[in-house]
Amino acid sequence: NAGVTQTPKFRILKIGQSMTLQCTQDMNHNYMYWYRQDPGMGLKLIYYSVGAGITDKGEVPNGYNVSRSTTEDFPLRLELAAPSQTSVYFCASSPLAGAETQYFGPGTRLLVL
Amino acid sequence: KQEVTQIPAALSVPEGENLVLNCSFTDSAIYNLQWFRQDPGKGLTSLLLIQSSQREQTSGRLNASLDKSSGRSTLYIAASQPGDSATYLCAVYLMDSNYQLIWGAGTKLIIKP
Repeated sequence: NAGVTQTPKFRILKIGQSMTLQCTQDMNHNYMYWYRQDPGMGLKLIYYSVGAGITDKGEVPNGYNVSRSTTEDFPLRLELAAPSQTSVYFCASSPLAGAETQYFGPGTRLLVL
Repeated sequence: KQEVTQIPAALSVPEGENLVLNCSFTDSAIYNLQWFRQDPGKGLTSLLLIQSSQREQTSGRLNASLDKSSGRSTLYIAASQPGDSATYLCAVYLMDSNYQLIWGAGTKLIIKP
């Protein structure tokens, strides 16, 4: 099993550009999450999904959008990129919320200039 | 509001030493506490998950304890090895968390050969 995969690994964006960060899991997990990690800080939840067609906001959703059309995929869309969105983005999945641990992808490093 | 603190932010010790990493949280109403390892350029890997009803969990050379009343958890690493060098993060899952893990900023551990 590949687990959780993310693309791209690294991307440089100009202010105002848009992009989609891809996330795919092959473990048939219902729950999927998007986090951002700023230098020297803990992870902060952007959006999460409890199943196909169901998404909800986390702690820091502004400037982002998500969709969940299949169990496997959970893309994160950045509209009108800003320097404050420079960060490392992690996608994670879990079979259940809370009771079991989350499985993480390798991350996408995004630089907005 | 739940806050998770990890002290120290960085730690460097010689190979072979036993060491303790600390995690504290402000709200004792947690569902579980989790310890993760993060290697540079890679995603997070779950190490140990302690349910709120448990006092400790062990995996190999790792032992994690939980004291809910004092809002503290420790991760004990026995006979440290250079391969243990990584950043260690703790996270708590609140009973009323809206699917959010609350993360500490991590302790960066360097084991010197």
